[in-house]
Amino acid sequence: DIQMTQSPSSLSASVGDRVTITCRASQGISNSLAWYQQKPGKAPKLLLYAASRLESGVPSRFSGSGSGTDYTLTISSLQPEDFATYYCQQYYSTLFTFGPGTKVDIK
Amino acid sequence: EVQLVESGGGLVQPGGSLRLSCAASGFTVSSNYMSWVRQAPGKGLEWVSVIYSGGSTYYADSVKGRFTISRDNSKNTLYLQMNSLRAEDTAVYYCARNYYMDVWGKGTTVTVSS
Repeated sequence: DIQMTQSPSSLSASVGDRVTITCRASQGISNSLAWYQQKPGKAPKLLLYAASRLESGVPSRFSGSGSGTDYTLTISSLQPEDFATYYCQQYYSTLFTFGPGTKVDIK
Repeated sequence: EVQLVESGGGLVQPGGSLRLSCAASGFTVSSNYMSWVRQAPGKGLEWVSVIYSGGSTYYADSVKGRFTISRDNSKNTLYLQMNSLRAEDTAVYYCARNYYMDVWGKGTTVTVSS
């Protein structure tokens, strides 16, 4: 199975900050990576897929990059509604896996 | 409108069974990859199972041999049959569309406890 790790596990930031979250796969996943945002009590929301493709309706302050085993999610200017937990997920393997999550809270 | 609605959750004793349903509208279940994902209280997301449009099925090691994913094309509905339930299966269960999960239901809660 492909294992996913994320760093940091949590971070504190202020509105307007640039935030970067890293996701690493235990083997190459050929950009078969999605990013999700989840707020308490709600279902996850797809932000990006294929590592860098923005889902329709998602603000352009969200971007993704990476290749091979290492990927990043960047929020260019953190907004109040962005405080949430973020997960990466690989779909390269037939057995999908999620990263453990990164909680972004208010500094 | 594209929508997924889960149902069937509840309280069940260890060793018991439960069948979850996920009714889809606005798209065809059989034409898409469909997954079940769960989230234990206070924990992260855990992928559980997927059924491909062609009918192939795959399971996380934690549920393999106990859970079965299926679909009813006539009802446009996805199912998860859960047998031999354990306390660690307690979670909110979500269904989701596609391998990058672009549509999610609101979830149904399963509690395994005596």
